[in-house]
Amino acid sequence: AQSVTQLDSHVSVSEGTPVLLRCNYSSSYSPSLFWYVQHPNKGLQLLLKYTSAATLVKGINGFEAEFKKSETSFHLTKPSAHMSDAAEYFCVVSASHGSGNTGKLIFGQGTTLQVKP
Amino acid sequence: EPEVTQTPSHQVTQMGQEVILRCVPISNHLYFYWYRQILGQKVEFLVSFYNNEISEKSEIFDDQFSVERPDGSNFTLKIRSTKLEDSAMYFCASSEMGGQYFGPGTRLTVT
Repeated sequence: AQSVTQLDSHVSVSEGTPVLLRCNYSSSYSPSLFWYVQHPNKGLQLLLKYTSAATLVKGINGFEAEFKKSETSFHLTKPSAHMSDAAEYFCVVSASHGSGNTGKLIFGQGTTLQVKP
Repeated sequence: EPEVTQTPSHQVTQMGQEVILRCVPISNHLYFYWYRQILGQKVEFLVSFYNNEISEKSEIFDDQFSVERPDGSNFTLKIRSTKLEDSAMYFCASSEMGGQYFGPGTRLTVT
């Protein structure tokens, strides 16, 4: 069965410093992985996705994530945090196998990112 | 940019009442989903829908729940007799290939 574990429930950084949000996955086959962001009182926005192409995936708003099979990790990074990055971030794995990734998504517990001025 | 929309944004209902949550998926998408997030908990899958039928459902999605695509644009989730524990944020999502796009959610409060 597929699962994701987000290693930190809260991360606090200063504005302008790097962001690292950690995620480990478990999958019996090559997974499709996603990061979603949820700002307060907003819906879930797709930040980026990995679907077995390039292992370094670039997303919106300067975020990127690297798929590392040997470490079963898919950590989210950003070189310089902005105040507007403060939100809840979810690491997600698709439960479907094969093309399309149209099966259900399995969410991690979420990491709250706080950005201090 | 096309987006998924949901109405209402907030629904308050009494225990035992029926509620219908509405979603308008992105127009060229063929796969539709409902998820929910109870306060302080993970986002959980409820059901997926394709070609006018349920393709997968979770154990949460019992006989009290149903989904429908009544007119080719809307996608609804009905809870027949709400319970206190149904209080949650309900998210609709749609997909073509390669990623699901979520609506802003409906906050359901059962009193």
